[in-house]
Amino acid sequence: GESVGLHLPTLSVQEGDNSIINCAYSNSASDYFIWYKQESGKGPQFIIDIRSNMDKRQGQRVTVLLNKTVKHLSLQIAATQPGDSAVYFCAETISGGYNKLIFGAGTRLAVHP
Amino acid sequence: EAGVAQSPRYKIIEKRQSVAFWCNPISGHATLYWYQQILGQGPKLLIQFQNNGVVDDSQLPKDRFSAERLKGVDSTLKIQPAKLEDSAVYLCASSFGTNTQYFGPGTRLTVL
Repeated sequence: GESVGLHLPTLSVQEGDNSIINCAYSNSASDYFIWYKQESGKGPQFIIDIRSNMDKRQGQRVTVLLNKTVKHLSLQIAATQPGDSAVYFCAETISGGYNKLIFGAGTRLAVHP
Repeated sequence: EAGVAQSPRYKIIEKRQSVAFWCNPISGHATLYWYQQILGQGPKLLIQFQNNGVVDDSQLPKDRFSAERLKGVDSTLKIQPAKLEDSAVYLCASSFGTNTQYFGPGTRLTVL
């Protein structure tokens, strides 16, 4: 299928290296943040989330860091694999509302063997 | 468990024609969302349902787009008449209340 990331910034990494994908969010009132992975021809897939009362959360090979002072999120992927190649989006929302997600622009991760 | 189902996966139409997309959410998910994803951008929410009621349609172009979820399960999104700028992927997502949203594979619409 056609890539969703044709015009997105691209991060190229070697297989086995660590990847860091950054995201700036817009609303200082947002208190819940999610990272999604979108492979070509597929819908976004939930990776990890974090609430504003935390500054770090770890999953399996992924870590999300939140800096509320500068409204910045990062997604760290350890030991990047070819299967990690995709477009990554951060999304923000205000909990307790209608769960309306505001998505960032996205970053394409290209993993080279 | 089965994921969010969408059909068709691809659709090509001429401008000014009409088109409809179908979505079947994850069983038990009361909240259903339709998003528009233009190439190179993140998804943008068009409309959100809670059961069969609309809770947010502020970004839905109501002069040409409509959506319904009559029985609180399946949903259809319609565009009539389509414009060139409607070319995009239309994503359906569902959630249990206000928890994590799970997305379907999307319908890629091309308007010629």
